[in-house]
Amino acid sequence: ELKVEQNPLFLSMQEGKNYTIYCNYSTTSDRLYWYRQDPGKSLESLFVLLSNGAVKQEGRLMASLDTKARLSTLHITAAVHDLSATYFCAVDDPYTGTASKLTFGTGTRLQVTL
Amino acid sequence: KAGVTQTPRYLIKTRGQQVTLSCSPISGHRSVSWYQQTPGQGLQFLFEYFSETQRNKGNFPGRFSGRQFSNSRSEMNVSTLELGDSALYLCASSFSGINLSEQYFGPGTRLTVT
Repeated sequence: ELKVEQNPLFLSMQEGKNYTIYCNYSTTSDRLYWYRQDPGKSLESLFVLLSNGAVKQEGRLMASLDTKARLSTLHITAAVHDLSATYFCAVDDPYTGTASKLTFGTGTRLQVTL
Repeated sequence: KAGVTQTPRYLIKTRGQQVTLSCSPISGHRSVSWYQQTPGQGLQFLFEYFSETQRNKGNFPGRFSGRQFSNSRSEMNVSTLELGDSALYLCASSFSGINLSEQYFGPGTRLTVT
């Protein structure tokens, strides 16, 4: 059974600080996804990481993937209040290769304070 | 291009009743996946439909069922509702659901069972 673990579960950080969210998964998979969810809202796609060593950046967020270590990181640079949300990583099904059956991590609730 | 739409957005039902939720995918998308999100269990995959056929299924009891129509619209049904079925139900669509096909999530239906 594929398991996806995120840490920390909750992160309170000050504006301007840097921090990293970690996502570990238990079986081989070449594709990992990061989503953002605002309270009461749906999931917004942030990054799709398709291969080992993939790195993608958008604004203050940067995601990377190490398939050998089964680890992805989401790095936040100089956090701002607008980044407050819950962040999920997800891995596609390693047995069928289908991207339509995702296993999600527990989520990291990020709170950026002034 | 219109996004994924879900109806209704909010629903209140009583234990023992049944409910049907609807999802209209992005035009041209043929794969529709359903997920349940609860505070306790997080985001869990329910099932996926592609070309009117269930292609993947998660670990949910038989009370949860779905179908897909020829226009790719999908419905999910929950019979004999239990309090634990209270959740945000998200559907996601993708072109084919395999390989590089990214999923796009709808706004969700929030179901409350009393």
